Amino acid sequence: EVQLVESGGGLAQPGGSLRLSCAASGFTFSSYAMGWVRQAPGKGLEWVSSIVGDGGNTYCADSVKGRFTISRDNSKNALSLQMNSLRAEDTAVYYCVKSGGAIMVRGVIVSYFYYMDVWGKGTTVTVSS
Amino acid sequence: EIVMTQSPATLSVSPGERATLSCRASQSVSSNFAWYQQKPGQAPRLLIYETSTRATGIPARFSGSGSGTEFTLTISSLQSEDFAVYYCQQYNNWPLTFGQGTRLEIK
Repeated sequence: EVQLVESGGGLAQPGGSLRLSCAASGFTFSSYAMGWVRQAPGKGLEWVSSIVGDGGNTYCADSVKGRFTISRDNSKNALSLQMNSLRAEDTAVYYCVKSGGAIMVRGVIVSYFYYMDVWGKGTTVTVSS
Repeated sequence: EIVMTQSPATLSVSPGERATLSCRASQSVSSNFAWYQQKPGQAPRLLIYETSTRATGIPARFSGSGSGTEFTLTISSLQSEDFAVYYCQQYNNWPLTFGQGTRLEIK
């Protein structure tokens, strides 16, 4: 069974830091791009950051650029999000997501499909003094 | 940034009837478009990707159509478990963007 389990959420003060983790199982982790999507209380979905399968390229939303860093450890099937300089507006449920697939040419991944076919249950981050 | 606009914000439909949800992109996203369903207290679930391909385990009553900038999700005969919030998403360009959601409620 394909599964994503987030951890690391909690209460942080404005300007503080948190590190989210996501443990993946049930699929070949290194073959898929991964990412984080958040949802503020009562609001819609907001993409936060994505990382390709080998970790060589990362992408992030302007709202978190320079403050959040996505990374992965393919040997441990683990995804992380380091969140620094936290703000009240970062308060949200953070979902770990698996991207849908990749385009391969002669056995080499040339691009990814960034729809999100597997979601974790989410971890809650609250930024407040 | 590509802005995704969903309509209507709320849709009231009776069980057994058809529901049609719309999403418009501010510029072409080709067929790189997906729909998600979210129920209260749950994570979103992928319904449709590549505009019209149903995800694994999604019933045939869900169908997607469109191209370029105009997309539609149709639920042919609403079941009680279909009342939820639906989001569209484009993955043609960075940043990835979602619509604001359509709440499908029981009439």
